[in-house]
Amino acid sequence: QQQVKQSPQSLIVQKGGISIINCAYENTAFDYFPWYQQFPGKGPALLIAIRPDVSEKKEGRFTISFNKSAKQFSLHIMDSQPGDSATYFCAASLSGNTPLVFGKGTRLSVIA
Amino acid sequence: KAGVTQTPRYLIKTRGQQVTLSCSPISGHRSVSWYQQTPGQGLQFLFEYFSETQRNKGNFPGRFSGRQFSNSRSEMNVSTLELGDSALYLCASSNPSGGSGELFFGEGSRLTVL
Repeated sequence: QQQVKQSPQSLIVQKGGISIINCAYENTAFDYFPWYQQFPGKGPALLIAIRPDVSEKKEGRFTISFNKSAKQFSLHIMDSQPGDSATYFCAASLSGNTPLVFGKGTRLSVIA
Repeated sequence: KAGVTQTPRYLIKTRGQQVTLSCSPISGHRSVSWYQQTPGQGLQFLFEYFSETQRNKGNFPGRFSGRQFSNSRSEMNVSTLELGDSALYLCASSNPSGGSGELFFGEGSRLTVL
């Protein structure tokens, strides 16, 4: 049973464009929603995270939008750059020592 | 501060063999989690250890096991290897006590089963 569904599987965006990756979760008890970024040959690294008490969080060009009623959250990358080309994973967990459940990932390619 | 170190980085085994992977967490981190990464399934949780005790376990067969030592270093073992065990095995450490919940991943051990 996949608890976090991520789409699209792959995404190609022009340099300067907006990249949007969506995730939907099933467990309404989840209260921590991070996004991880993974470059080839490297482990994933935390990019940005949100908790359900806010609907949006922005860090530089990266924004998480959170819709609690729809059980969905998304990552927006503004002014996408070739250096943003990586695989992005959304995840969810119950805070308090429960493991992160990851989506299957989105491979983003930003082309000049 | 050194990051999470995983060894070996690459290894090739044949079906039926067993393998042991090692993980050294960030200094001061007492929690170590293991994930299996494959192209089709993404990141799947194997298990988590905290203070030498398995605290959480994913939905993997008993051929997958792990342990944690008093210095927080962790090992995972896969016995009777199958072709489907070919994957990148990622270790992550965290500091649950007052931490943000962030997982710090190593670069992984890439296992190929022939």
